Amino acid sequence: GESVGLHLPTLSVQEGDNSIINCAYSNSASDYFIWYKQESGKGPQFIIDIRSNMDKRQGQRVTVLLNKTVKHLSLQIAATQPGDSAVYFCAEIPSGSARQLTFGSGTQLTVLP
Amino acid sequence: GAVVSQHPSWVICKSGTSVKIECRSLDFQATTMFWYRQFPKQSLMLMATSNEGSKATYEQGVEKDKFLINHASLTLSTLTVTSAHPEDSSFYICSAGGWGNQPQHFGDGTRLSIL
Repeated sequence: GESVGLHLPTLSVQEGDNSIINCAYSNSASDYFIWYKQESGKGPQFIIDIRSNMDKRQGQRVTVLLNKTVKHLSLQIAATQPGDSAVYFCAEIPSGSARQLTFGSGTQLTVLP
Repeated sequence: GAVVSQHPSWVICKSGTSVKIECRSLDFQATTMFWYRQFPKQSLMLMATSNEGSKATYEQGVEKDKFLINHASLTLSTLTVTSAHPEDSSFYICSAGGWGNQPQHFGDGTRLSIL
């Protein structure tokens, strides 16, 4: 859905702890989901993706979980580092669309020393 | 990996002028590119889909005469903000790719400030 003038949700974690960022998506027809990281003043950077025929996918220090029943997506970051501080967006692509991304509202992750 | 380059990264200009922003795919061909707008503390909003060799497709509420898009080659799309006014000030971001089970890749954005 669209973000209309809302402040970003925030998450603060201690360096070295694990982070979990959640996202509720809107379209049950979406079959492809992506997590992006956006640092201040930069464009979004791809982190990890998952297709609707999977419920879990792991990358380097990151894991994405997909629950299609409740239309929920989560990003887990292991051993969070200061460089992980950024805004994290989930994005969905409905099947059959022209590959247009719909972004979630984003979460500001702050890693405390 | 795939790289998308955006230029300029920062523009300040007077109200009423037109501003052109370029988006290039550096190591792959992109028949489709996307233009987004982002206000502070908000998410990215898709403005339009740029199609090589044909007209762009604009999202509802985006004025096509205000935001001119040209996609003249497989590696370049341009967004021109015509007769820009202070309310057009924003962060404009382009992306390319997203076909063949690959994610879209984004440029680093253009910060547009209209005085």
